Amino acid sequence: EVQLVESGGGLVQPGGSLRLSCAASGFTFSNYWMQWVRQAPGKGLVWVSRISDDGNNIRSADSVKGRFTISRDNAKNTLYLHMNSLRAEDTAVYYCARSLLGVGGDYWGQGALVTVSA
Amino acid sequence: QPVLTQSSSASASLGSSVKVTCTLSSEHSGYTIAWHQQQPGKAPRYLMRLDSGRYSRGGGVPDRFSGSSSGADRYLTISSLQFEDEADYYCETWDSNIQVFGGGTKVTVL
Repeated sequence: EVQLVESGGGLVQPGGSLRLSCAASGFTFSNYWMQWVRQAPGKGLVWVSRISDDGNNIRSADSVKGRFTISRDNAKNTLYLHMNSLRAEDTAVYYCARSLLGVGGDYWGQGALVTVSA
Repeated sequence: QPVLTQSSSASASLGSSVKVTCTLSSEHSGYTIAWHQQQPGKAPRYLMRLDSGRYSRGGGVPDRFSGSSSGADRYLTISSLQFEDEADYYCETWDSNIQVFGGGTKVTVL
C-alpha cells in the first residue's frame, strides 16, 4: 500500500524557516517524481514544487522561488521542502504527492499544517 | 502556461448523475489532466487521468466515476450519486515548467 506521511509542520514567525518531510513507503520511491501542493484555509489547491526521480530536475511556482527548496533522499525514501523567509500568506496545509509523469499527483499524504504568524 | 477553468459549484439529486467541467486554455487544449476529489476535512484523492481521447481511473476508484473530453473541455461524470460524493473536485495539469490546478468545483448532493 502506498503511504505518504508528512511531518515538520507547526507555528513559525514571519521571516522564519521550517523543513517539511514526507516519508514514503509501499512503492519504489526512487522511480517516481514527487511534488508539494498547498492549500490555504478555505481555499483551493495550489502547486508548489516538483522534483524528478533522480533529483536533477526541479520546478517551483513563482510565489516560492528563491524561498522554498524541494529535495529528496532516495536512500531514506523521504521528500523534503525547505521553507525560508516565510510569510503570512504561506500559511496552509502542505501535501506531498507522488507524481504521474506529465499528469499530476496520484497518491497524496494527509498534509502538514504550517502557520506563519507573530 | 496552461490555465484550467472550473465552475464553482454543481448539484444533483441522490442517485442521479452530475457532470463537472474543466476547461483548458485554448493553446493547451490537447493536454492530459488529472481529476481529484477532496471530501470535507480530508486530503485530496486521485480519481483519474484524462486526455483528449480516453480516461484511466486510479486504483480503488468506483466505476461510477468516468471521464470524457470535447475539444478543450475535460469532464468528470459521477453516476448514481451518493452522499459521500459531496466534495470539492479539482482538475490538474502538467507543463514543462509548471503544474496548475483548476479553482475547484463544489458538488452538492441534494
